[in-house]
Amino acid sequence: GDSVTQMEGPVTLSEEACLTINCTYTATGYPSLFWYVQYPGEGLQLLLKATKADDKGSNKGFEATYRKETTSFHLEKGSVQVSDSAVYFCALTDSWGKLQFGAGTQVVVTP
Amino acid sequence: ETGVTQTPRHLVMGMTNKKSLKCEQHLGHNAMYWYKQSAKKPLELMFVYNFKEQTENNSVPSRFSPECPNSSHLFLHLHTLQPEDSALYLCASSQEWSRTDTQYFGPGTRLTVL
Repeated sequence: GDSVTQMEGPVTLSEEACLTINCTYTATGYPSLFWYVQYPGEGLQLLLKATKADDKGSNKGFEATYRKETTSFHLEKGSVQVSDSAVYFCALTDSWGKLQFGAGTQVVVTP
Repeated sequence: ETGVTQTPRHLVMGMTNKKSLKCEQHLGHNAMYWYKQSAKKPLELMFVYNFKEQTENNSVPSRFSPECPNSSHLFLHLHTLQPEDSALYLCASSQEWSRTDTQYFGPGTRLTVL
């Protein structure tokens, strides 16, 4: 079945550092791809999404490009802030709309 | 209120209790979902309702019973739970159950089963 694999955390970095979280997927059809973020004690918030190959999603300084050739959707941000500390989930929806999540990557940004 | 709301935010129950979780969405969506988030396990889809009809039951034990009286409200009825059912239960909604529609999540109910 369809699945998502993302790098394990925690990822610890200093404020203003660059962040990359790797995400790869396995799918039989043409999935849509998502990044969700979960701040401590809260539910999941959509960060960005892409629905077809070569689409780039972007929001709040984060970007990810849907790469069909490498089956990847890596999340990047050029300069992180302490407020970016959270757990980030890569996810896909299969042809029927079933949302499948990766295990999540905890990011800790220190001042 | 806006978005997706869930009540209660925290719930502690014994194994013999019966309780219900409530979810309400104010987004005009037609699909609603229950997810389970356990420590050290990926988020698991439990149930999907699309236009008030249950379209997905992801092999969930019968001690969890969903109810969707209308497209804005979703309940999860709980009875004779086990300690391993302790988790964060998340509700979500989307315009429809489709490949491209974004699912919007509520804050979750933190459930502890003693």
